[in-house]
Amino acid sequence: DTEVTQTPKHLVMGMTNKKSLKCEQHMGHRAMYWYKQKAKKPPELMFVYSYEKLSINESVPSRFSPECPNSSLLNLHLHALQPEDSALYLCASSHWNTEAFFGQGTRLTVV
Amino acid sequence: DAKTTQPPSMDCAEGRAANLPCNHSTISGNEYVYWYRQIHSQGPQYIIHGLKNNETNEMASLIITEDRKSSTLILPHATLRDTAVYYCIVRGYNFGNEKLTFGTGTRLTIIP
Repeated sequence: DTEVTQTPKHLVMGMTNKKSLKCEQHMGHRAMYWYKQKAKKPPELMFVYSYEKLSINESVPSRFSPECPNSSLLNLHLHALQPEDSALYLCASSHWNTEAFFGQGTRLTVV
Repeated sequence: DAKTTQPPSMDCAEGRAANLPCNHSTISGNEYVYWYRQIHSQGPQYIIHGLKNNETNEMASLIITEDRKSSTLILPHATLRDTAVYYCIVRGYNFGNEKLTFGTGTRLTIIP
């Protein structure tokens, strides 16, 4: 099983809403990643978790709050987002020395 | 702080070999070269990676120059389904170097 599952596939939320994106993998990977991708741009790294601890935060605004409850799950909690935060949010996982597998992403629209 | 340079776009005729170049002149000894591709609005798909030897798998071949400052991804018989953005990425293999940073990539279009 080389699948990274992201839910939901699509999400529309208001600027005052609180929502969460979920990511799950069962490959035993101990590194998990969140990326943000705007249209026609490459994915931009947001956060990296290694062994369930936050190891990299690429200066992401606090309205994005990651959480890694266990080695298989990664969440991204969203609060008070702006319309410019609308994007494709991608999750990935890997061992620390092998290829990363990506999910199909959550298409987020902030209205 | 992208460490790779790729042409923004390329075309290739269907059935021909597609050769995608990448420059990574500042690559260090503990960094691999990875290739991913992304078909419109899907998650990036891993293709291949290598350290210093040429590599081949069922999808592609990777040719790395002896000085490791550049590489070429070869899709031997391109099909229309190979139309995608291709990303060349350098990444360390030590613990703590899990970061995978995408550059601007090459948009490959396969022409019927």
